[in-house]
Amino acid sequence: GAVVSQHPSRVICKSGTSVKIECRSLDFQATTMFWYRQFPKQSLMLMATSNEGSKATYEQGVEKDKFLINHASLTLSTLTVTSAHPEDSSFYICSASRASGASTDTQYFGPGTRLTVL
Amino acid sequence: GQQVMQIPQYQHVQEGEDFTTYCNSSTTLSNIQWYKQRPGGHPVFLIQLVKSGEVKKQKRLTFQFGEAKKNSSLHITATQTTDVGTYFCAGPETSYDKVIFGPGTSLSVIP
Repeated sequence: GAVVSQHPSRVICKSGTSVKIECRSLDFQATTMFWYRQFPKQSLMLMATSNEGSKATYEQGVEKDKFLINHASLTLSTLTVTSAHPEDSSFYICSASRASGASTDTQYFGPGTRLTVL
Repeated sequence: GQQVMQIPQYQHVQEGEDFTTYCNSSTTLSNIQWYKQRPGGHPVFLIQLVKSGEVKKQKRLTFQFGEAKKNSSLHITATQTTDVGTYFCAGPETSYDKVIFGPGTSLSVIP
């Protein structure tokens, strides 16, 4: 149980285009979903926390107008990178938590999406 | 703000040798979580420790949470090639805070 999927797994796009990444919890309801960014050989940097039906909470330094997050249902959250530029190229990983998102809740990670912006 | 550090950053061991990674937080943690990320993969939850001084074992892996709840360790006995990956510790100051990930320790096992 506790499977999280992400789509697409890889995407290459031209500079200036927008890219949408989907994160789905397949066998449980995810009250809270997290979006992370990971650069090569580095740790996970939390970008934002989203709760179903409410606005996402963004971390300091993350532009909410550039990284649009929608958590429309208990099984789906989307991250849209708007007007992507080469510096946005990274590995984006989502995770989902069954409950309220308290830190004691286990986070189940998706397989990640490798974004390359040309 | 809260900082979580891990040492060493990289570790190369001969298969069969033991391995330990240490996690240190600048502040007291509510709990500590450990994740493993295989090369090219995504983080997978290993374990969570909540109590001061807690020790948990998973087969060849031993996890420990310090008495002051500011540090933790992961020890692998007799490493195998399947242990290869990056091990991250993560923890929040309180149960309502976000989880902060350490930089990870990358383990290579030489067969």
